[in-house]
Amino acid sequence: KAGVTQTPRYLIKTRGQQVTLSCSPISGHRSVSWYQQTPGQGLQFLFEYFSETQRNKGNFPGRFSGRQFSNSRSEMNVSTLELGDSALYLCASSLAKGWHEKLFFGSGTQLSVL
Amino acid sequence: KQEVTQIPAALSVPEGENLVLNCSFTDSAIYNLQWFRQDPGKGLTSLLLIQSSQREQTSGRLNASLDKSSGRSTLYIAASQPGDSATYLCAAETGANNLFFGTGTRLTVIP
Repeated sequence: KAGVTQTPRYLIKTRGQQVTLSCSPISGHRSVSWYQQTPGQGLQFLFEYFSETQRNKGNFPGRFSGRQFSNSRSEMNVSTLELGDSALYLCASSLAKGWHEKLFFGSGTQLSVL
Repeated sequence: KQEVTQIPAALSVPEGENLVLNCSFTDSAIYNLQWFRQDPGKGLTSLLLIQSSQREQTSGRLNASLDKSSGRSTLYIAASQPGDSATYLCAAETGANNLFFGTGTRLTVIP
């Protein structure tokens, strides 16, 4: 059974650009969540999607957005990149029969903003 | 806002030793408490999930406990092995996969 797949693995962008990251969940999983990991702030929740609807959102500016497609694949977009957006972006999927289930994480996308 | 703290930040033990990692959280209104491990440059692997109504969960050499009233959880690792070397993170869920993570404990098991 394939795990959670995130692409690309590495990205280098410059300030002011925008970026789109992709996440393919485990087959059958309907919930996808996104997290940002930095050395200074640690792991922080960005948002969660279930059946193409955003159910929950963390405390990030509107430059961070996401969406989920009918096949449960998800993308997140960051516009007008800032140096502080450099981070490892992780997505996780779960069955979401209920809310409180184990999450399965991808290996992440390492974003560097120059 | 939920704040999650992990102590110690780093721990180094000889192989075979039993050890305890600590996690504390400020808001007891949680749905569950999860423990993860993270290997360098990789994502997280879920180890144990304790529902808010439970007191502990066990998987192999791992045992996690939860005391909501005191805002604490512990992860007990028995008979540590070099392969256990990783960063261990706890996370308190407040709803719809909104997890508040601790800063982690970096564990090194010395052969």
